[in-house]
Amino acid sequence: DTAVSQTPKYLVTQMGNDKSIKCEQNLGHDTMYWYKQDSKKFLKIMFSYNNKELIINETVPNRFSPKSPDKAHLNLHINSLELGDSAVYFCASSQADRTNYGYTFGSGTRLTVV
Amino acid sequence: AQSVSQHNHHVILSEAASLELGCNYSYGGTVNLFWYVQYPGQHLQLLLKYFSGDPLVKGIKGFEAEFIKSKFSFNLRKPSVQWSDTAEYFCAVMGALYNQGGKLIFGQGTELSVKP
Repeated sequence: DTAVSQTPKYLVTQMGNDKSIKCEQNLGHDTMYWYKQDSKKFLKIMFSYNNKELIINETVPNRFSPKSPDKAHLNLHINSLELGDSAVYFCASSQADRTNYGYTFGSGTRLTVV
Repeated sequence: AQSVSQHNHHVILSEAASLELGCNYSYGGTVNLFWYVQYPGQHLQLLLKYFSGDPLVKGIKGFEAEFIKSKFSFNLRKPSVQWSDTAEYFCAVMGALYNQGGKLIFGQGTELSVKP
């Protein structure tokens, strides 16, 4: 069973469209994250949620809106897509108690905006 | 400012050579440190982590790292690399306090190419 699963794996869309990426984890973790990896492979956190509550919201355009319906799911909705949004988006989850470390990444969603 | 710096952008080695990838961090407070590996087209996998205790940490696939607090460094080593170690390697730091939200700050990555 996949621990952190993201869909879709690839997403090609036109500028101006609205799209969503879904993430689910079956590890029972309390915290979920979205990270963005740019074309130079630099990884940066966008959001984190703990038990459906937004904890971290980095400097991300308002066009990006995360939604966590329950602690096993964290979706990312992007409005009015721009060329610069092209990247690989990774979902991750972790235990709040980091003495029992379980920070796990999904396989990524490669978003291409044309 | 919180940041992680990896010394090498691209390292090319022959099989059986020894590897050392440098990582320095800047962070106010107690930290947890990590090395992740990303094989081509795949997600990040944890190689090893340091939370506390012995500063020499052993991870999977024969990798180890040493935390030197006075130098703010967490260098990754492997005595003998294999072709299958070809990948991108990321050093990362996290604040050790629970209320810091579990945010990982990554270095820019080091691409390792191992020639057969």
